[in-house]
Amino acid sequence: EAQVTQNPRYLITVTGKKLTVTCSQNMNHEYMSWYRQDPGLGLRQIYYSMNVEVTDKGDVPEGYKVSRKEKRNFPLILESPSPNQTSLYFCASSLSLASIHEQYFGPGTRLTVT
Amino acid sequence: DAKTTQPTSMDCAEGRAANLPCNHSTISGNEYVYWYRQIHSQGPQYIIHGLKNNETNEMASLIITEDRKSSTLILPHATLRDTAVYYCIFPPGDGGSNYKLTFGKGTLLTVNP
Repeated sequence: EAQVTQNPRYLITVTGKKLTVTCSQNMNHEYMSWYRQDPGLGLRQIYYSMNVEVTDKGDVPEGYKVSRKEKRNFPLILESPSPNQTSLYFCASSLSLASIHEQYFGPGTRLTVT
Repeated sequence: DAKTTQPTSMDCAEGRAANLPCNHSTISGNEYVYWYRQIHSQGPQYIIHGLKNNETNEMASLIITEDRKSSTLILPHATLRDTAVYYCIFPPGDGGSNYKLTFGKGTLLTVNP
């Protein structure tokens, strides 16, 4: 089944403890992206990647890192999480630049930082 | 993404057609209309997109007015699982640095038994 998977789905952690949220897609998509969704603020892009080894900042990149060593994986790294990073996180992918706005989303990761 | 106007909420009876309107009067000639939906706390789901011709896929139909200033998403036989927030957007046509989706408030469609 074609899909975007994220792990973990739920995570409660403490301030400053490094964590990684994994994202993987099995559709051979070139483009991948991370969003966070907060009440009243909608969906905001954190980072995106046009292809392997190509990443760029979105609207809210502070406090996050990403890497794209393989086409299928796009992990989101929080080196020192803080409570303001408590949010619902979504990974998304699309086939190519030509279909950039036809994005397929993962199920989400609900992160709580205490 | 540029601004669209959608009703805040709508109700529909199960088995009936759900018609969700969207106003996008500032859309330009090369910008597509996209529809997504988001079931509570799940990832957004792409539904359909179109430029000026009506489009249909296994999920829905999209009717775009001739002047392209508005469109209607039609779910022909709504089910309880179609209860979700529906978003209408038109991302800038030139792409450029805008490789993201920006949703407005959308329409909460509630399908009732």
